[in-house]
Amino acid sequence: GAGVSQSPRYKVAKRGQDVALRCDPISGHVSLFWYQQALGQGPEFLTYFQNEAQLDKSGLPSDRFFAERPEGSVSTLKIQRTQQEDSAVYLCASSFRGVNTEAFFGQGTRLTVV
Amino acid sequence: GENVEQHPSTLSVQEGDSAVIKCTYSDSASNYFPWYKQELGKGPQLIIDIRSNVGEKKDQRIAVTLNKTAKHFSLHITETQPEDSAVYFCAARGNQGGKLIFGQGTELSVKP
Repeated sequence: GAGVSQSPRYKVAKRGQDVALRCDPISGHVSLFWYQQALGQGPEFLTYFQNEAQLDKSGLPSDRFFAERPEGSVSTLKIQRTQQEDSAVYLCASSFRGVNTEAFFGQGTRLTVV
Repeated sequence: GENVEQHPSTLSVQEGDSAVIKCTYSDSASNYFPWYKQELGKGPQLIIDIRSNVGEKKDQRIAVTLNKTAKHFSLHITETQPEDSAVYFCAARGNQGGKLIFGQGTELSVKP
């Protein structure tokens, strides 16, 4: 596709509900990143894939957060038993060849936990 | 780990003036420094980047400078226009994986 595509754009979840956020990276991009952006803050790293391998998940805030990229293209970020502090914009980015190339971001998914 | 500090948090300029945003980083192994522009309700858009083997890079009205010794880098926007109004983020990336560490952001307002 022309850019990184994320869905849904907006998600309202009741506290305790599970959610799944989808990212379609730019076609052919090897690396995929998830970031969390709280209101008024810069994006914070969550996790990183190279193809289907999850190489770094050091930013995931708890074991309620899980990400996968089973075929090395589309990725899903899953949050179990959502809590109010999970409310944020979740951004996905992709880059062509890994660590030495530019990263392009999607529009993000705004998650609100009520 | 890496830490990136960004200043100022808000910046207001008159149309046509220049704007400068400054960032410092802590990890001397960082080797890639992109700048992103984020408009309300949108994802960050890459506007310019610089690698550690270069001291300055320019693209039309936008330039970035890097001082590796002092571990700081700056974004310069000349002849600002109202459409430059947005939040700007600096970031740094080291050689351990591809993750970016972002600054806190600068809200730039260009008044006509």
